[in-house]
Amino acid sequence: QSVLTQPPSASGTPGQRVTISCSGSTSNIGSNTVNWYQQLPGTAPKLLIWRDNRRPSGVPDRFSGSKSGTSASLAISGLQSEDEADYYCAAWDDSLNGPPYVFGTGTKVTVL
Amino acid sequence: QVQLVQSESELKNPGASVKVSCKASGYMFTTYGIHWVRQAPGQGLEWMGWINTNTGKPTFAQGFTGRCVFSLDTSVTTAYLQITSLKAEDTAVYYCARHCSGGDCSSQLDYWGQGTQVTVSS
Repeated sequence: QSVLTQPPSASGTPGQRVTISCSGSTSNIGSNTVNWYQQLPGTAPKLLIWRDNRRPSGVPDRFSGSKSGTSASLAISGLQSEDEADYYCAAWDDSLNGPPYVFGTGTKVTVL
Repeated sequence: QVQLVQSESELKNPGASVKVSCKASGYMFTTYGIHWVRQAPGQGLEWMGWINTNTGKPTFAQGFTGRCVFSLDTSVTTAYLQITSLKAEDTAVYYCARHCSGGDCSSQLDYWGQGTQVTVSS
């Protein structure tokens, strides 16, 4: 049972903007930075966003991240067919009761 | 370039053990930790734990203590995940990932192995 909650699905037509939310708590998102991972079908996850809003080299600037309080968001502007994938938020968690690193429940993005 | 290359798929009987390897290259192995992540069929990512490659100290998520062992062979820059007393519900893809911390990093998992499918079935 993940402590970071995401919508199970999101969709848009090519060129549209899609936003994915990630809801956590004071022990994870509220205290630590958020990372986002993209998992294309049949492949390993890939780091997409780190430290809330930073993109690794090679990640298109149509992907952006933001954070406010205990929630974070990933936005995909100018949606493209190759963006169809599963997206996971993640953060370190300072709670004594749970795992130190937690993934979100995941959001499947479909390009219509 | 940084690479994590994992061992091939495994088919095991219930009760057996499996050892998955994760060979790192392209960077100083003992500078970055290695995390292990499980993905059951059709499910999301589940963090199993990580191992400090400098000290060898492992940290496990609840539910992965007891039957899981993280180990290293720094001479060949390889991390290992061993699971004992396998059950059908251990069937999953297991990923290793590099932990980037310190400096300009923010404790993200910046490079991932390709994954190893472990199937437990009689």
